Amino acid sequence: DTEVTQTPKHLVMGMTNKKSLKCEQHMGHRAMYWYKQKAKKPPELMFVYSYEKLSINESVPSRFSPECPNSSLLNLHLHALQPEDSALYLCASSQSLTASGNTIYFGEGSWLTVV
Amino acid sequence: DAKTTQPPSMDCAEGRAANLPCNHSTISGNEYVYWYRQIHSQGPQYIIHGLKNNETNEMASLIITEDRKSSTLILPHATLRDTAVYYCIVRVNSNYQLIWGAGTKLIIKP
Repeated sequence: DTEVTQTPKHLVMGMTNKKSLKCEQHMGHRAMYWYKQKAKKPPELMFVYSYEKLSINESVPSRFSPECPNSSLLNLHLHALQPEDSALYLCASSQSLTASGNTIYFGEGSWLTVV
Repeated sequence: DAKTTQPPSMDCAEGRAANLPCNHSTISGNEYVYWYRQIHSQGPQYIIHGLKNNETNEMASLIITEDRKSSTLILPHATLRDTAVYYCIVRVNSNYQLIWGAGTKLIIKP
């Protein structure tokens, strides 16, 4: 089983709203990731968690706030977003950051529209 | 900066082998080649990866040239469901970073 589950699949929010994206994996992976993907572009890395601790923040604006409540769950809290933040948000996981050749598996993504 | 170069689009007839090329002339000795595909509106799906040797799994084969400067992903019997954007990616061994190329849009025609 190589499943990463993301909810919701679609989200429409206003610029003053607070919402969250959720991600879950049951593969025992200890590294989890958030990516952002705009139309016709490859995914861009946002955050990396390793063993439930934030390891990497790719200079993401503070209106995006990640959280890793436990080794299976990853959240992305959204507040005061801008229309240009509309995108596909992808969660991914892997065994660890450093296992040789270990594969990163992606979820189906959450489509976010900011109005 | 992208370390891979792919053609922007390709067509292939259903039932034929689809051969997707990728150039990675600046690849280092400790960097893997990964392939993912992304079907419209879905998340990227892992296909295969390799370091030096050719690899095969139930989805595809990966042929890496001896100098490792290029590779080819082969889908042996393409179906309409293989229509997707295929990304050739370089990944440093023991590193979380995926260095994505621009991708090839593969269209399988009946």
